Amino acid sequence: SAVISQKPSRDICQRGTSLTIQCQVDSQVTMMFWYRQQPGQSLTLIATANQGSEATYESGFVIDKFPISRPNLTFSTLTVSNMSPEDSSIYLCITGGSDNSPLHFGNGTRLTVT
Amino acid sequence: DQQVKQNSPSLSVQEGRISILNCDYTNSMFDYFLWYKKYPAEGPTFLISISSIKDKNEDGRFTVFLNKSAKHLSLHIVPSQPGDSAVYFCAASEYDKIIFGKGTRLHILP
Repeated sequence: SAVISQKPSRDICQRGTSLTIQCQVDSQVTMMFWYRQQPGQSLTLIATANQGSEATYESGFVIDKFPISRPNLTFSTLTVSNMSPEDSSIYLCITGGSDNSPLHFGNGTRLTVT
Repeated sequence: DQQVKQNSPSLSVQEGRISILNCDYTNSMFDYFLWYKKYPAEGPTFLISISSIKDKNEDGRFTVFLNKSAKHLSLHIVPSQPGDSAVYFCAASEYDKIIFGKGTRLHILP
């Protein structure tokens, strides 16, 4: 089963700066998703990272704010741009292949924006 | 050591009947529980949640029951519809940590 390395595990950033989160999988996966979770709340899907093409964003999320790269089937990055305190959250990458592939979860990146 | 367990990998239910998906957890510090549904080739989507201060939460055809003493929660879907066929994930949260179960595949039979 796939193992996911997500970095950094946490960071404290200043308002107006940007942070790039990396997700490295030890095997090729078709589907890779970026989620945000605020304490006590459900995961919210930000976008689906598509290999070789632009990510598919959910309503309320835009590429300028959350640019995503997916250069191959084992790696993706999510950038949180021009951060504000409202962006303080846990960001999580989740992978799952086709119908029969189980979900695998990164350990999350806890972001605090001051 | 699995903190969140879904012991049934799959479940088949006749259309129109009740689907009951079960989930057990071990960590008594979990204070928020969630159910997600996943269709093929899509990411999991949030379905319903319950806080540990409640024992039941209902949203349309979906009801989640929480039994804290047994560390058990269940999702009831009634009546079951063909579009409910999916994989259902139980999750438990403690502040900034969320742990998922391995999922139960639900088949709704015509």
